[in-house]
Amino acid sequence: EIVLTQSPATLSLSPGERATLSCRASQSVGSYLAWYQQKPGQAPRLLIYDASNRATGIPARFSGRGSGTDFTLTISSLEPEDFAVYYCQQRSNWPPITFGQGTRLEIK
Amino acid sequence: QVQLQESGPGLVKPSETLSLTCAVSGSSISSGFYWGWIRQPPGKGLEWIGNLYHPGSTFYNPSLKSRVTISADTSKNQLSLKLTSVTAADTAVYYCARDSDILTDPWGQGTLVTVSS
Repeated sequence: EIVLTQSPATLSLSPGERATLSCRASQSVGSYLAWYQQKPGQAPRLLIYDASNRATGIPARFSGRGSGTDFTLTISSLEPEDFAVYYCQQRSNWPPITFGQGTRLEIK
Repeated sequence: QVQLQESGPGLVKPSETLSLTCAVSGSSISSGFYWGWIRQPPGKGLEWIGNLYHPGSTFYNPSLKSRVTISADTSKNQLSLKLTSVTAADTAVYYCARDSDILTDPWGQGTLVTVSS
């Protein structure tokens, strides 16, 4: 099973700042990595797939990069609605499909 | 627009079987995608349970494989989940979702299932 480790666990920033979230895989997943955003009481929402492709309707301030074992989700300038929990997901070698434990992005 | 809606009992007794259905609209579950289930215990992260590729292929998380069955009713365009011998550790919000080779989207709104006597 591929283990995904996200860091930091919690990130405290202010609106307008740049956020950088990390996801590291226990073995190579190629580019088969996706990012999801989850707000309280809501289902996760797809942000990024194939490591760097934005899903339909996702603002350009969200970007993803990486391949192999190291991936990054960047939010260039935080909007108030961006404060949420973010999960990475791999589907390179499944079953099982696995998720990281999440990064909580909170308002400083 | 593809939409998914989970339904089922919100309370299940320990050792019994959890049964949920997911009604799919806007796409046929025979359409060449995977259709699956993911769960999230209160305050915790996401756990993939398994998925189904119609007809006949199912894939399960090894950690749950002995207790899980995912099936499809194509006449109703519904997906089902059965989880046997539940314990308090199975208390979670259960989501159904459409899978492809590269992403999971869209997701249902989720349904909370509590295991308690």
